[in-house]
Amino acid sequence: DTGVSQNPRHKITKRGQNVTFRCDPISEHNRLYWYRQTLGQGPEFLTYFQNEAQLEKSRLLSDRFSAERPKGSFSTLEIQRTEQGDSAMYLCASSLLINWQGEGEQYFGPGTRLTVT
Amino acid sequence: AQSVTQLGSHVSVSEGALVLLRCNYSSSVPPYLFWYVQYPNQGLQLLLKYTSAATLVKGINGFEAEFKKSETSFHLTKPSAHMSDAAEYFCAVSGVNAGNNRKLIWGLGTSLAVNP
Repeated sequence: DTGVSQNPRHKITKRGQNVTFRCDPISEHNRLYWYRQTLGQGPEFLTYFQNEAQLEKSRLLSDRFSAERPKGSFSTLEIQRTEQGDSAMYLCASSLLINWQGEGEQYFGPGTRLTVT
Repeated sequence: AQSVTQLGSHVSVSEGALVLLRCNYSSSVPPYLFWYVQYPNQGLQLLLKYTSAATLVKGINGFEAEFKKSETSFHLTKPSAHMSDAAEYFCAVSGVNAGNNRKLIWGLGTSLAVNP
């Protein structure tokens, strides 16, 4: 088990371009979360999946953002028509829902740092 | 609704001194509480968690935290600071009900500096 991985680690893009990030969770984990962290702030929840189903999206996730987890394994987060305000660290976490009463802790990947110029 | 307040965005201690990082929470449901640490250019690592069992929780690297419901607090402590403890520390809260989203609600973080 190599933990949660995210690619790329860094992305620099020009305003208006589209970007896509990938997250590979711990293999047996059925829940996957996306968070965004800006400098000097704590992470903010964006969205989460249970298996392939996207169960909640934050109001922070504008129409330009879309996330998928097509086979219940890896997930992608796409940002269309990037804006300078999208510059942030995008964090992915995964966890294992064991039963209706318990969920293990979230394990985080190293993040993808996006810079929009 | 849930929220977390971390008192003090920057804390500085001397090596060997007591570390105390403060966290207060607000939650309309029984909370799960977490402390994570983030080193520069690295991801978030779980230090410890409270999940309605023992109120005094021991974590990695000598850290511990005590859940005090009456004070809605979950302060993080370490008896003796080490230079390697210098990092950003985040307190987070989530709901208990596994049927709901277990999204973490985060504090703004406390940057810990350890002076030689």
